[in-house]
Amino acid sequence: NAGVTQTPKFRVLKTGQSMTLLCAQDMNHEYMYWYRQDPGMGLRLIHYSVGEGTTAKGEVPDGYNVSRLKKQNFLLGLESAAPSQTSVYFCASSYPRLSPTYEQYFGPGTRLTVT
Amino acid sequence: DQQVKQNSPSLSVQEGRISILNCDYTNSMFDYFLWYKKYPAEGPTFLISISSIKDKNEDGRFTVFLNKSAKHLSLHIVPSQPGDSAVYFCAASAGGGADGLTFGKGTHLIIQP
Repeated sequence: NAGVTQTPKFRVLKTGQSMTLLCAQDMNHEYMYWYRQDPGMGLRLIHYSVGEGTTAKGEVPDGYNVSRLKKQNFLLGLESAAPSQTSVYFCASSYPRLSPTYEQYFGPGTRLTVT
Repeated sequence: DQQVKQNSPSLSVQEGRISILNCDYTNSMFDYFLWYKKYPAEGPTFLISISSIKDKNEDGRFTVFLNKSAKHLSLHIVPSQPGDSAVYFCAASAGGGADGLTFGKGTHLIIQP
């Protein structure tokens, strides 16, 4: 099992450009999440999905869109990148009904720089 | 307003001694608390968790204590080993875990030889 994978690992964008971050999991998890981590900060939830075809906003959703067309994939889109979106982005997945600990499994992260 | 607080940005402990990492929370709706460990350039990895109906959970060298009345939890690592050097995040969940986790800012634990 590869677990949670993220593509790409690194990316540099210019202000106003768009891009999509891809998250894939092979654990058949129902729930998937996108977080961002900024220096000196904890992880903050951007958007999440509790099943295929469903998405919901987290704590910091502005400037991002998401889609969950397939159970194993969760895409995070930036329509018009801004320097404030420079961050490390983490995807996570979980299956609370099978996990008594509410554990989420994280990907390795995507480091995004917007100039 | 931060709902999960880790007030020590860093902590230095000698190898073999006990490491104690602290976490405070403000939201009474949190029903599960988790600790994650993170190495540089990697994603967080789950360490240990505790339900709000318990006051202690132990897993090998790691023990988490929950004081619900004080809205405080702590992670004890005994004995501390060099591989424990990492950033430790306290996280909390409400509503059965569906809505994501709320994280503290993390504590950088440094184990001195």
